[in-house]
Amino acid sequence: GENVEQHPSTLSVQEGDSAVIKCTYSDSASNYFPWYKQELGKGPQLIIDIRSNVGEKKDQRIAVTLNKTAKHFSLHITETQPEDSAVYFCAASRGGGYQKVTFGTGTKLQVIP
Amino acid sequence: SAVISQKPSRDICQRGTSLTIQCQVDSQVTMMFWYRQQPGQSLTLIATANQGSEATYESGFVIDKFPISRPNLTFSTLTVSNMSPEDSSIYLCSVSLGIDEQFFGPGTRLTVL
Repeated sequence: GENVEQHPSTLSVQEGDSAVIKCTYSDSASNYFPWYKQELGKGPQLIIDIRSNVGEKKDQRIAVTLNKTAKHFSLHITETQPEDSAVYFCAASRGGGYQKVTFGTGTKLQVIP
Repeated sequence: SAVISQKPSRDICQRGTSLTIQCQVDSQVTMMFWYRQQPGQSLTLIATANQGSEATYESGFVIDKFPISRPNLTFSTLTVSNMSPEDSSIYLCSVSLGIDEQFFGPGTRLTVL
């Protein structure tokens, strides 16, 4: 089955700096890669996703990149703000309709004001 | 997206008892999922619940321990049976909208004494 590894497990950045979280996956058939943000006491929130036919996707201060050959994908947050502090999970699935999603181990991001 | 609610939001239970968690969605969805998130850990899929059919359980999870009902397209329940302290976790339901995207409820925080 799919295995998703995520690094780093914790990340502290100064407000205004950028944060990068990296993930690797094992199943070459995976082609859908969502990212979730989980704030304390809440359920995970889908913040951005990318499919394998795209190498990069951007939404305001967040962007995701995908290297399908190397089985790597990354989340980039620019101009970080204290409200970006949360646990971020990457995930992978085969997509194409109702496929199982496998989650990474999570990154706890702390943005220091 | 969808508005997903869960009841109860949290509970403290005695070992050997059972707890039924409810998940309600504000629109009709085909696929609903139940996840477990142990303290400080990632999300692990328990089972997939389709309306009108038996739930499909992931390896390591059995129906006798986690019976699931899916009586209609907006509602599902997960029962945690014969609980032990190891069952202390956050239990999350999610729904699939569109082709791949999954959206999560707020979770049920369970503590077993």
